[in-house]
Amino acid sequence: AQSVTQLGSHVSVSEGALVLLRCNYSSSVPPYLFWYVQYPNQGLQLLLKYTTGATLVKGINGFEAEFKKSETSFHLTKPSAHMSDAAEYFCAVSLTGGGNKLTFGTGTQLKVEL
Amino acid sequence: AAGVIQSPRHLIKEKRETATLKCYPIPRHDTVYWYQQGPGQDPQFLISFYEKMQSDKGSIPDRFSAQQFSDYHSELNMSSLELGDSALYFCASSLGAWHSGANVLTFGAGSRLTVL
Repeated sequence: AQSVTQLGSHVSVSEGALVLLRCNYSSSVPPYLFWYVQYPNQGLQLLLKYTTGATLVKGINGFEAEFKKSETSFHLTKPSAHMSDAAEYFCAVSLTGGGNKLTFGTGTQLKVEL
Repeated sequence: AAGVIQSPRHLIKEKRETATLKCYPIPRHDTVYWYQQGPGQDPQFLISFYEKMQSDKGSIPDRFSAQQFSDYHSELNMSSLELGDSALYFCASSLGAWHSGANVLTFGAGSRLTVL
């Protein structure tokens, strides 16, 4: 079985500041890891994914994440927050051989202040 | 580019009524997934279909059923609705055979069900 833990249900940053959203996973087999973003009353949009290969992955809107197997982490970062980044962010895991089904973390609400 | 289409976008029902949600996957996607997202909750996996056969089952109540049709669209049927069924229901689709892994799920905008 797999699970995802997102530390901090709410994160607040100033515009222009570093964004760091934390995600740790538990998996019995090599995982595939994803970050999705959800704007109010909208669907889930893929930000980035890690499957194999390079552990630092870059996504849309300037976000990136690094897969660290030793720490079972997949934290999401962005060097400089923008007001438009305010949204809810979900980390998710699927398993190799698991048919693509995603298990989500509980989400982190990002607030960006002036 | 074509996305995942869900209908209706909003639905209001009374307790004990029945509701049907529809999902039209991205063309050539053969796998459909249903998720339920309660207020302030993370999306919970309900059920998935690959090539019109149920491929996985999650926390779907017995009052709910779903199927995938020959044109790959899917319908989620919910009966004897309860207040706790009020949620955002997402459909997602992906390419790839069962057990292939690594394929990205593309989500629809969701259907918001309100049970009064």
